[in-house]
Order: sequence, then C-alpha cells, then structure tokens
Amino acid sequence: AQKITQTQPGMFVQEKEAVTLDCTYDTSDPSYGLFWYKQPSSGEMIFLIYQGSYDQQNATEGRYSLNFQKARKSANLVISASQLGDSAMYFCAMREVFQGAQKLVFGQGTRLTINP
Amino acid sequence: KAGVTQTPRYLIKTRGQQVTLSCSPISGHRSVSWYQQTPGQGLQFLFEYFSETQRNKGNFPGRFSGRQFSNSRSEMNVSTLELGDSALYLCASSEPGLSEQYFGPGTRLTVT
Repeated sequence: AQKITQTQPGMFVQEKEAVTLDCTYDTSDPSYGLFWYKQPSSGEMIFLIYQGSYDQQNATEGRYSLNFQKARKSANLVISASQLGDSAMYFCAMREVFQGAQKLVFGQGTRLTINP
Repeated sequence: KAGVTQTPRYLIKTRGQQVTLSCSPISGHRSVSWYQQTPGQGLQFLFEYFSETQRNKGNFPGRFSGRQFSNSRSEMNVSTLELGDSALYLCASSEPGLSEQYFGPGTRLTVT
C-alpha cells in the first residue's frame, strides 16, 4: 500500500521568506503521481502542483515548485516569497491507480503560518 | 470553466437520520471521487465513480453509498447517521489522461 508522510505538523515563517514543506512517500509502483494541495480555513482543497514519476524536471507553478528526489522518495513543496495569504494547511498526496480505478492517498498535513 | 460544486455547503442532522450530498464535476470530467475529512482520521477515500460505475471503494461501512448520473453529477448517501460521521465531505473531479484532480468546496456535516 502507498503511504505519504508529512513530518512537520506546523511551521511558522516570516513573510517574504521561502519555505519548504516536507513530504516523503512509499510505493512499489513504478508509475505514480504526486500532488500538493492547500486547504484554507474555509475547507476547500486548492490544487497547487503535480509531479509525475517519469517527469524529468521538477514541476513549477508560479511561486510553487516541487523538489522531487525520486531516489530518496521525497517530494517537498517550496513556496518562494511567502505571503500572509499562504497561511493554511498543506497536504501532500499520491495517486494510487489499480485496474483503471484511482484514489488519492493523503499525508496528515502541515499547518503553515506566515507571520507579518 | 466552472469548478467543482457541492451542495449543500453545511448540514446539521440528528443521529439515525440519513443524508444525501451532491457533487457536480467540472464540465468534461467523467470521474468523481469522494473523501471524508475528520480531525482524527485525516482525509480518507470513500469511493470513485466513472461513467456511472463505481470503480473503487474505500474502507467504509455499507451505510455509505453513492451513485453517478449520466451527466457525471454524483451523489453520496449516508444512512443511519452516527456522531462519528460528522466531517467535511469533499468531492474531486478528474478526467483520464489529465494529471490534475480538482476538489469542490466541501459539505460540512454535523451529526447531533
């Protein structure tokens, strides 16, 4: 079974600093996908970034980048120039596919707080 | 393109009652998945529907059921509600061949 581990329950960062949120995963499948989602207090899960296991380059989306280290099975999210609006829960997830059916397996999340 | 919509957004029910939640996926997306989020268990997969067929089911009791209509809209039903069913229920839509899965705003269910 696939597993996602986020070891930082909470992080506090000063505004405008860069922040790295850790995520390690465990899977025996050669093909997989990794996601990062942001969940503000409103509850909605906002898609941030996706990395496929065969992608040669690290994914980037604006201020978000994914530091993908396949051999170490890590997929850390890097947020550059943090903003107050970045304060939220962040979830790392892996897509598990079996005979065409899919589901996401989530980590426990990291609560990020940006201080002014 | 409109995002994933879920109705209702908030719901209060009594133990023993049943509830139906609705999810409309992004136009063109045929896969709808449901997740339960609680403080204790985190985010857990409930089931996935694709073209009106349940393709995958999580480890939940039979009180949790769902269906998908020909327009890809999906409903989930919880019968004989228990206090532990209080949670945020999220649905996500996707399309085979595309990487992203997009979530709706969720339905917050409170069982008293």
